[in-house]
Amino acid sequence: EDKVVQSPLSLVVHEGDTVTLNCSYEVTNFRSLLWYKQEKKAPTFLFMLTSSGIEKKSGRLSSILDKKELFSILNITATQTGDSAVYLCAVEPHNTDKLIFGTGTRLQVFP
Amino acid sequence: DSGVTQTPKHLITATGQRVTLRCSPRSGDLSVYWYQQSLDQGLQFLIQYYNGEERAKGNILERFSAQQFPDLHSELNLSSLELGDSALYFCASSVGTGFGYTFGSGTRLTVV
Repeated sequence: EDKVVQSPLSLVVHEGDTVTLNCSYEVTNFRSLLWYKQEKKAPTFLFMLTSSGIEKKSGRLSSILDKKELFSILNITATQTGDSAVYLCAVEPHNTDKLIFGTGTRLQVFP
Repeated sequence: DSGVTQTPKHLITATGQRVTLRCSPRSGDLSVYWYQQSLDQGLQFLIQYYNGEERAKGNILERFSAQQFPDLHSELNLSSLELGDSALYFCASSVGTGFGYTFGSGTRLTVV
């Protein structure tokens, strides 16, 4: 059965710290891996990764995919209180339009 | 505003009742997806429609049904509601496979 596992489940840090969130997957016919940030309601899109070893970057956030070891990491540098959220990892298999989500990592950033 | 509109935002109803959740996709998006997010669970895929036709089905209960109309809006019907159906229900839309998904702000359903 296809599955996505995220770790840690929860993370508490101080502003300015750097965090790494992990996502491993077991999916038949992998197409892409996506990261979302969920604050109070709707998940908002961060990155879509399809190729191994190519880092995607947006400001203080970056992500990379390893298709051989079946995992991805999301890095956030110089964290701010506004980064507090649940970060969701999802995988999209080929030949299907659904996303398989992990349960998320809850990040809390304190001043 | 993501461009995906879900109504209502909140819904409180009694067990055994039936409710309808509505979703208008982003302009130009042909695919609509429904997800359920319960406490302590990730987003669970329910069902997908593409241009009016059912495309994929997840772990959707038989008490639940959905449809997509010619104007591409979609409705998720939940019947014989149980306490365990209390959750956030998200709709997402996409222009097509592999182009990412945009989520609406969700409908919080509380069954009492």
